[in-house]
Amino acid sequence: DAGVIQSPRHEVTEMGQEVTLRCKPISGHDYLFWYRQTMMRGLELLIYFNNNVPIDDSGMPEDRFSAKMPNASFSTLKIQPSEPRDSAVYFCASSVDPGQGVPSPLHFGNGTRLTVT
Amino acid sequence: SQQGEEDPQALSIQEGENATMNCSYKTSINNLQWYRQNSGRGLVHLILIRSNEREKHSGRLRVTLDTSKKSSSLLITASRAADTASYFCATDGGILFSGGYNKLIFGAGTRLAVHP
Repeated sequence: DAGVIQSPRHEVTEMGQEVTLRCKPISGHDYLFWYRQTMMRGLELLIYFNNNVPIDDSGMPEDRFSAKMPNASFSTLKIQPSEPRDSAVYFCASSVDPGQGVPSPLHFGNGTRLTVT
Repeated sequence: SQQGEEDPQALSIQEGENATMNCSYKTSINNLQWYRQNSGRGLVHLILIRSNEREKHSGRLRVTLDTSKKSSSLLITASRAADTASYFCATDGGILFSGGYNKLIFGAGTRLAVHP
């Protein structure tokens, strides 16, 4: 099991540019989550999917952010246009369907460190 | 918004000592989880405790939960340099979605440094 795979590991871009972050969840996992981590705000849930369908995107900060999951093995988080305040580490995580009343841990990727200058 | 608040923010100890980290939260919960994050890496799940449990053990880890005080503690016994990491608690805010999944909200974390 390769775990959750994110790419790229580092991204440096200029303000106004489009940024696309990619994630491959663990095979067989039903849930996929995008989190953002900053020193000021800690870990924030941006959006999560269940069986490729977005369930809750209330954490997406602005319309500049969008996420897709075209199939069970791939998801993208896009920022367009990017701004310096978007600089953060973006994590993707996945988990299995816990079943009725059974919680399930999250499996995180190693993140993408985004720097917008 | 953060549901859990870890205390202390940073902890520095010697190898072999015990490390205790605390987490307080604001709303009712169904379960509480602890995660570890090594520098430059993603979070790794350590242990989960349900709201009807008071204590749980996993190897050198011991977690307690006091729902009346809305608090939890993580104890690492006989610490090692490899335990150096940030530790986060995560709660579900008592929300149970239709699919059974509980959306996790993470605290700010405790940075633990274990010196050889």
